[in-house]
Amino acid sequence: GNSVTQMEGPVTLSEEAFLTINCTYTATGYPSLFWYVQYPGEGLQLLLKATKADDKGSNKGFEATYRKETTSFHLEKGSVQVSDSAVYFCALNSGYSTLTFGKGTMLLVSP
Amino acid sequence: GAGVSQSPSNKVTEKGKDVELRCDPISGHTALYWYRQSLGQGLEFLIYFQGNSAPDKSGLPSDRFSAERTGGSVSTLTIQRTQQEDSAVYLCASSSRDYTGELFFGEGSRLTVL
Repeated sequence: GNSVTQMEGPVTLSEEAFLTINCTYTATGYPSLFWYVQYPGEGLQLLLKATKADDKGSNKGFEATYRKETTSFHLEKGSVQVSDSAVYFCALNSGYSTLTFGKGTMLLVSP
Repeated sequence: GAGVSQSPSNKVTEKGKDVELRCDPISGHTALYWYRQSLGQGLEFLIYFQGNSAPDKSGLPSDRFSAERTGGSVSTLTIQRTQQEDSAVYLCASSSRDYTGELFFGEGSRLTVL
């Protein structure tokens, strides 16, 4: 079956540090890959996505590249801000009706 | 409405009671999803609706859980004879097109079973 594995958190960084949150997946077929973000007190929202191998999704300074050879979709940002503190979820959709999510990684950014 | 609306936002109940959680999706969205978010467990898929029918209810954890959707809009998730392990945040999401993965989530209903 489909599954998503994310690095465990919390990830604690100082403002302007470089961020990487690892995500690997197991899936049949050719899934689309997603990063969702959940800010404190808010619902999950789509951050970025990639629909085929070698695609790069980007939004709000975050990037992730769909790597089929390593079955990975790592989230990166060059310089994090305090406002990026949130829980980040990697997810995949392999053409069926649902998303399969990872367990989430909490990011805490201090000034 | 502008977004997915869920109610109640918080519900505290006693073990053995029944609870109903409501989801009002974005107007015009045909697909509706229920997920459960537990501490340390991430998001667990419960059930998916396309219109009023539920082609995928494989995630419902037991027969105490049921859901319905009426008029292609509002959905209700019902948990009968609640147990302490049912304590979680129940998230609803909707989507304008199927199979795209772009879901719009509500803020969730936090259920605490004492």
